[in-house]
Amino acid sequence: DQQVKQNSPSLSVQEGRISILNCDYTNSMFDYFLWYKKYPAEGPTFLISISSIKDKNEDGRFTVFLNKSAKHLSLHIVPSQPGDSAVYFCAASPSGTYKYIFGTGTRLKVLA
Amino acid sequence: DGGITQSPKYLFRKEGQNVTLSCEQNLNHDAMYWYRQDPGQGLRLIYYSQIVNDFQKGDIAEGYSVSREKKESFPLTVTSAQKNPTAFYLCASSSRDRLYEQYFGPGTRLTVT
Repeated sequence: DQQVKQNSPSLSVQEGRISILNCDYTNSMFDYFLWYKKYPAEGPTFLISISSIKDKNEDGRFTVFLNKSAKHLSLHIVPSQPGDSAVYFCAASPSGTYKYIFGTGTRLKVLA
Repeated sequence: DGGITQSPKYLFRKEGQNVTLSCEQNLNHDAMYWYRQDPGQGLRLIYYSQIVNDFQKGDIAEGYSVSREKKESFPLTVTSAQKNPTAFYLCASSSRDRLYEQYFGPGTRLTVT
């Protein structure tokens, strides 16, 4: 039973365009969400987070949107750059716990 | 430079042997975690520790053991009871102030034959 789902295993985008990565969750107790970026054979690096009291958080080229009623979050990267090519994981944490549930990841390829 | 180190990067073992993966952090983080990643899957939590001398099982703890004798160290032992030990293992840590933001080490790829 996957509580955090990333239904698109891969995505290709032209350099300079917008990349939109999606994530759905099923547990309404999740109240903090994160996006990580991972290159092959390396550990994930934290990108951006959002708490359930917000519906948008922005950091440079990265914006995360949260739609609580739909239990859906998305990561927008504008403009996309070749260096953004990586696997992106979303993760969710229930209130008051240290546990994180990760999605299966979406491999983004930005074409030059 | 603050960070998390995992060693070695690649590890090979024969079936039936226990093996211990190292994880050290100098970020002064209270919480530490071990995850496992398999191809096409997300990261799955094995064990986590909120403070020294305390740890809890994650979602897939069977066949693994940990210790947390020092704040900066959280070694993971993959025992012979773990049925499918070959995987990429990631250690992470987080601070008390920003529990939700975990910082990951570079990982150890364990191959058991």
